[in-house]
Amino acid sequence: SQQGEEDPQALSIQEGENATMNCSYKTSINNLQWYRQNSGRGLVHLILIRSNEREKHSGRLRVTLDTSKKSSSLLITASRAADTASYFCATDAGTDKLIFGTGTRLQVFP
Amino acid sequence: GAGVSQSPSNKVTEKGKDVELRCDPISGHTALYWYRQSLGQGLEFLIYFQGNSAPDKSGLPSDRFSAERTGGSVSTLTIQRTQQEDSAVYLCASSLGQRNTIYFGEGSWLTVV
Repeated sequence: SQQGEEDPQALSIQEGENATMNCSYKTSINNLQWYRQNSGRGLVHLILIRSNEREKHSGRLRVTLDTSKKSSSLLITASRAADTASYFCATDAGTDKLIFGTGTRLQVFP
Repeated sequence: GAGVSQSPSNKVTEKGKDVELRCDPISGHTALYWYRQSLGQGLEFLIYFQGNSAPDKSGLPSDRFSAERTGGSVSTLTIQRTQQEDSAVYLCASSLGQRNTIYFGEGSWLTVV
């Protein structure tokens, strides 16, 4: 079963707009990670946020984590057409293995 | 190596045949994962190896699926008597260990006809 669920399933925006994706999970975690996938192949790690952190930044990416609500959000600011991809959150569910959510498909139009 | 390497990139096989998918993790990474992703879907956990510990096989969908990791490095995922529903991308990933970033290979696209 999936540990994480992303919302929305799909998102379409114009270049320059911000994109926000949300992830909810079910069990306690040690950390939460966000990944990007182009064209259904390998995933690329974007950012890791630990359970004792509330917010983290990396370039145009901003991730927040609310452990009381078991949710995280990924914000991409000033989006570009090249940001078009699927984005997944993944949690360790307190174990050693990483469980992925269902993903958000982001389309950025020029 | 520079990254996680998987082979073959693409495999077309007839229903009922056995297939082997190979994964070479990043050198020094003790943890190795296999995931499966059907078209347009999320990643489904299959199996996890960590060092010399017994692997976590809880995600393997049936006894037709098995995986081994030799010498703590290369891993092979074997699917016996393939079925059409086995068609998917099989992704391998490795990491330095638990609670660390995992790095993915480009995947092996399996099509069962």
